[in-house]
Amino acid sequence: NAGVTQNPKFQVLKTGQSMTLQCAQDMNHNSMYWYRQDPGMGLRLIYYSASEGTTDKGEVPNGYNVSRLNKREFSLRLESAAPSQTSVYFCASSEYGDGDTEAFFGQGTRLTVV
Amino acid sequence: EDQVTQSPEALRLQEGESSSLNCSYTVSGLRGLFWYRQDPGKGPEFLFTLYSAGEEKEKERLKATLTKKESFLHITAPKPEDSATYLCAVQAPWYSGGGADGLTFGKGTHLIIQP
Repeated sequence: NAGVTQNPKFQVLKTGQSMTLQCAQDMNHNSMYWYRQDPGMGLRLIYYSASEGTTDKGEVPNGYNVSRLNKREFSLRLESAAPSQTSVYFCASSEYGDGDTEAFFGQGTRLTVV
Repeated sequence: EDQVTQSPEALRLQEGESSSLNCSYTVSGLRGLFWYRQDPGKGPEFLFTLYSAGEEKEKERLKATLTKKESFLHITAPKPEDSATYLCAVQAPWYSGGGADGLTFGKGTHLIIQP
């Protein structure tokens, strides 16, 4: 049982390049999320998807797009990378609704934009 | 706007020296308060969920408690392997919008347990 899997683990981009961060979960969760983590800032929500076919903006969506490809997969795309997007990106998934809704996180993608 | 403030930012303890980490929060209609542990280079690992004031949960040397304004993570007789960053997060009601089903995190407490 892999949980939440992210690819790639590390990436270096030049300013203006594009890339897609991949995320897949095998827990049959409805909700999926993308967070970024910066020193001194904590984890901040970029986008989330409450269910297959729906996506919504979080706290810091500018410069990103997402796709909920199916129930398992939720990708994050940087169309034109900027140095301010240097960060560690975490994908997470959880069940939706009342009750136990703890989020399970992937291992992260460490992105550097030069 | 939901806010989560954790204190202290960093804490260094001797092995066996018990202490508490604090998480103060402001949220309209708390759905849940979560504690996570994060080791360097890894994703957050779920520890506890608390739903209502007065609730307590325990796991090994950790005990989490919740009031209407704050949560405490008590660490009893810690060991070096308890060294990590501990994150607190709150979940707002689904109708509050702005990533309602997502979590608002504090900046964490970096805990070091010295042998």
